[in-house]
Amino acid sequence: DADVTQTPRNRITKTGKRIMLECSQTKGHDRMYWYRQDPGLGLRLIYYSFDVKDINKGEISDGYSVSRQAQAKFSLSLESAIPNQTALYFCATSDDLAEVSYNEQFFGPGTRLTVL
Amino acid sequence: GDSVTQMEGPVTLSEEAFLTINCTYTATGYPSLFWYVQYPGEGLQLLLKATKADDKGSNKGFEATYRKETTSFHLEKGSVQVSDSAVYFCALKGGSNYKLTFGKGTLLTVNP
Repeated sequence: DADVTQTPRNRITKTGKRIMLECSQTKGHDRMYWYRQDPGLGLRLIYYSFDVKDINKGEISDGYSVSRQAQAKFSLSLESAIPNQTALYFCATSDDLAEVSYNEQFFGPGTRLTVL
Repeated sequence: GDSVTQMEGPVTLSEEAFLTINCTYTATGYPSLFWYVQYPGEGLQLLLKATKADDKGSNKGFEATYRKETTSFHLEKGSVQVSDSAVYFCALKGGSNYKLTFGKGTLLTVNP
C-alpha cells in the first residue's frame, strides 16, 4: 500500500462549489504539506503543518484552507472554487529530523482538479 | 529569497544518449539540494540529494554534484533509457528553513 494517499484522484467541479481534497499517510511523519503544480511553474506551497496544532500558510494560501484532523490526515479545502484553481494538487510528508538542513519529503500521487 | 532555475524543456533524446539538465540556485546559508522525478501520472519521488558543497548525489545512474562556487547542481546520466522519460525537478532546502523551493521542471522524453 502507498505511504501517502490522496482522494479523490480526479475531480471536476463548477465555479463557486466547495471542494475538499484529502490526504492520509502511514509514514508516521509529523510534517505535512499541500502543494499545487501548474505547467511551467513547478510546485508552489499552499499550506504546511508541523503537527496537529501547528498550521501555517505557504506562499499561495489565498482561497484555500486546511484542517489537520490527526497526525495522519491533512485536508485542503477550496471554499468557493474558481477556474484559476484548476491544477494538480500534491500532498507531501516529512519527518521532523534534528538535522534541519535535510528533510526528504514524500509525495502522494496527486489530485487533478478542474474548475469549470 | 531562495530560488531555483533549471533549463527549460522539453528535452528529447534517443536511447543511450548523454543527458544533462542544468540547475542553478540562489539561497542564503548552506542549502541542501535535491533532484525529484515525476513519472507520468505519479507524484514526485526523490531521485538524489546532496547536503553540502562538493557532495555528489547518485541514484539509478543519475549523478549531480553540489558546486558552491558556481551555485549549481546539474543532473547527468551517461546513457538514458526510455524508462527515464519523466519530468525532473531541481529543488533546494535552506539551511534554517523547512521549505522546499522547486524549479519549474524539465520534461525529458527518451525515444527508442
